[in-house]
Amino acid sequence: EIVLTQSPGSLSLSLGERATLSCRASQTIPNNYLAWHQQKPGQAPRLLIYETSSRAAGIPDRFVGSGSGTDFTLTITRLEPEDFAVYYCQQYGRSPRTFGQGTRVEIK
Amino acid sequence: QVRLQESGPGLVNPSETLSLICSVSGGSITSHYWSWIRQPPGKKLEWIGYVFNTGSTDYNPSLKSRVSISMDTSKNQFSLNVDSLSVTDTAVYYCTRGFGFVDVWGQGTLVSVSS
Repeated sequence: EIVLTQSPGSLSLSLGERATLSCRASQTIPNNYLAWHQQKPGQAPRLLIYETSSRAAGIPDRFVGSGSGTDFTLTITRLEPEDFAVYYCQQYGRSPRTFGQGTRVEIK
Repeated sequence: QVRLQESGPGLVNPSETLSLICSVSGGSITSHYWSWIRQPPGKKLEWIGYVFNTGSTDYNPSLKSRVSISMDTSKNQFSLNVDSLSVTDTAVYYCTRGFGFVDVWGQGTLVSVSS
């Protein structure tokens, strides 16, 4: 299976700062089928990005996905209060679908 | 807007079978793939498997021998069975929509395996 490793494990930033989250795959993800999900405490995850860089419906344009092959990035260009959460990458290019272990974005 | 709601026991004994149901509202179950995903406490998300209305299924090899997912189109529901439970199956179980990426998540239900 494709193992996804996210870094850093946690990120402490201030409002308005830029957050850069990394997701590295153990092998090339076919068709760059990589998604990002956001999870807040006590809530279900929510889809942010699919196919590396396509934003899901209603997702603000400060969330930017990029990358290819084995290296992918989620950038939050200007952190808003509601962005402090845990972010998971997910690959769906090959079965079984797998998730990274998450990056926690905290308020500094 | 499609909504998913899980239902089932919150506590199950080891070695028994877990049965969960996901009720789908706001859309037909026949037009998408439906999946189950779980998250053990403090651990990452784990994809369990999916079902489509043709009866087609696919399961995570790590769980394949103990898991089955089925669909009841007359009730607009799909379900998950996990056999031979152990404490390591304790997790929040989410029903979701999606063949590849998940675009709709249920709220999740905590299932504890304990005697």
